[in-house]
Amino acid sequence: NAGVTQTPKFQVLKTGQSMTLQCAQDMNHNSMYWYRQDPGMGLRLIYYSASEGTTDKGEVPNGYNVSRLNKREFSLRLESAAPSQTSVYFCASRPDRGVTGELFFGEGSRLTVL
Amino acid sequence: QKEVEQNSGPLSVPEGAIASLNCTYSDRGSQSFFWYRQYSGKSPELIMFIYSNGDKEDGRFTAQLNKASQYVSLLIRDSQPSDSATYLCAVNFGYTNAGKSTFGDGTTLTVKP
Repeated sequence: NAGVTQTPKFQVLKTGQSMTLQCAQDMNHNSMYWYRQDPGMGLRLIYYSASEGTTDKGEVPNGYNVSRLNKREFSLRLESAAPSQTSVYFCASRPDRGVTGELFFGEGSRLTVL
Repeated sequence: QKEVEQNSGPLSVPEGAIASLNCTYSDRGSQSFFWYRQYSGKSPELIMFIYSNGDKEDGRFTAQLNKASQYVSLLIRDSQPSDSATYLCAVNFGYTNAGKSTFGDGTTLTVKP
């Protein structure tokens, strides 16, 4: 019972390098999200996808791109990493019932940009 | 003003005491409210959700919602050292937002034996 799986769990980049964070869920959820969490702060929404083929910006989208590859997978790409993007990134999905539902999180991806 | 604000921590209570965590939100269109617990180095996990005004109890946890005051709280009775964690308040701003949640910065709770 995997739930939400993120890869990689840890990554160190140099300024200007690019990378993609992968996320997959096996719960048949339509909605998927990418959040970042900086020390002592809550989660800030980067991008989300309400369904396959759709994506929308959240609070802090600058410097990121996303792809909703299919219903299961939602990737986050950093085209040119900056030290300000050092953070813990969480992917989440939400079940489709009624108006709202709780978020199910992956284990997080800890990214350091030097 | 942040959309979701939580009482600043850290909060420290003795074992067996009641811990009270508070959260206010700015958008009156908010429809649902969540409390997540996050242990250090781990991902958040849902512990309570509430949609209607009033109290909702689940074991040692009680969530309270007052939409008129735009206020939601979490009470933890008989606090245990295992309750030591950061508690995140999250708010969903209506159906048209496709259920995206906005989080507060969290309150770190320490329960001392």
